[in-house]
Amino acid sequence: NAGVTQTPKFRVLKTGQSMTLLCAQDMNHEYMYWYRQDPGMGLRLIHYSVGEGTTAKGEVPDGYNVSRLKKQNFLLGLESAAPSQTSVYFCASSQQGVWTGELFFGEGSRLTVL
Amino acid sequence: KNQVEQSPQSLIILEGKNCTLQCNYTVSPFSNLRWYKQDTGRGPVSLTIMTFSENTKSNGRYTATLDADTKQSSLHITASQLSDSASYICVVSALSGGSYIPTFGRGTSLIVHP
Repeated sequence: NAGVTQTPKFRVLKTGQSMTLLCAQDMNHEYMYWYRQDPGMGLRLIHYSVGEGTTAKGEVPDGYNVSRLKKQNFLLGLESAAPSQTSVYFCASSQQGVWTGELFFGEGSRLTVL
Repeated sequence: KNQVEQSPQSLIILEGKNCTLQCNYTVSPFSNLRWYKQDTGRGPVSLTIMTFSENTKSNGRYTATLDADTKQSSLHITASQLSDSASYICVVSALSGGSYIPTFGRGTSLIVHP
């Protein structure tokens, strides 16, 4: 019962390098989200998707791009990494609704940009 | 702007003691409020969900309350255990453009000492 799986779990980049974080969910959820978590800041929404082929900006989208080509996958890309993007990234998914809407999170991906 | 404020930022208690965490929000239009528990190095996991008409909800030793008039919620932990050491995050969802968008508090870090 995998739930939400993020890869990779750890990555170290040099400034200017690019990378992609992959999120996969096996619960057939419509909504998927990418968050970053920094000490003292809580979870901040980067981008989200309300269904296959859709994406939308969150609170802190600059420097990131996303794609949702398949319903079960949500990719987060960094085209030119900066030290300010050092953070722990969490992917989440949900099936929307007043009584549902529970966010199911992955285990996180720790990214360090030198 | 939707906001969720949590207090205290951190809390240290002895095993077996009770504690109460607070959450104040200015989110509109209100849909639901969830409390999440985040263990160190893991993704958050939902503890409770409360909607507008609910005042109290329990999940084992965790009891959440909601006062929709004052826009306040609390999470009470009874007979604390070492495994309760974690960050507790209050998340309030609002209906926006047909989607339920969650707003996160910064969390309360709870440490339970033996």
